[in-house]
Amino acid sequence: ETGVTQTPRHLVMGMTNKKSLKCEQHLGHNAMYWYKQSAKKPLELMFVYSLEERVENNSVPSRFSPECPNSSHLFLHLHTLQPEDSALYLCASSQEVQNAEAFFGQGTRLTVV
Amino acid sequence: RKEVEQDPGPFNVPEGATVAFNCTYSNSASQSFFWYRQDCRKEPKLLMSVYSSGNEDGRFTAQLNRASQYISLLIRDSKLSDSATYLCVVPGGGYQKVTFGIGTKLQVIP
Repeated sequence: ETGVTQTPRHLVMGMTNKKSLKCEQHLGHNAMYWYKQSAKKPLELMFVYSLEERVENNSVPSRFSPECPNSSHLFLHLHTLQPEDSALYLCASSQEVQNAEAFFGQGTRLTVV
Repeated sequence: RKEVEQDPGPFNVPEGATVAFNCTYSNSASQSFFWYRQDCRKEPKLLMSVYSSGNEDGRFTAQLNRASQYISLLIRDSKLSDSATYLCVVPGGGYQKVTFGIGTKLQVIP
């Protein structure tokens, strides 16, 4: 496998559910990111990890909880989401956190009902 | 001024036309810039980087105007396959926070 892989590709969950999004990168990169893309809005950076250490949290509600067990894997744990959290969640990686040349996964399209 | 501003379009152009998009930015300290392309319901993919000397790759030319704080993307001889949303990316701030523009939608019509 190459590049950045995200699972699942689509997810429908109720507001009381707990689910997790998974991201895996096979590029040997040191930085990984979670982005949220809502309709008619620019990509919003949620979390940044550098070598498994979280280096940025852009005021994301606590119902989103990231986890980075190693430099190749990134999770986003979801709990008691709201309908307005429905969006495309994109994972990305780059060689270093200072490098904006990022490679994106195909995203998870999340619908909260 | 917003951190990164783009005209969302859509820009509807005929095949073979030349089209240009601009992207303005507010952080004068930014040194490098990027254009990404995002096809409908797909992930963004890096198209090209933009440095002070500009960048050209085939039919695509990216330029930086530091004085006026904008970057541009020029597409010559548009193809149907160029139809996509073009995202401007400006690094800057703590931990090189990366800011995406909202994107400019291009539709090339036969």
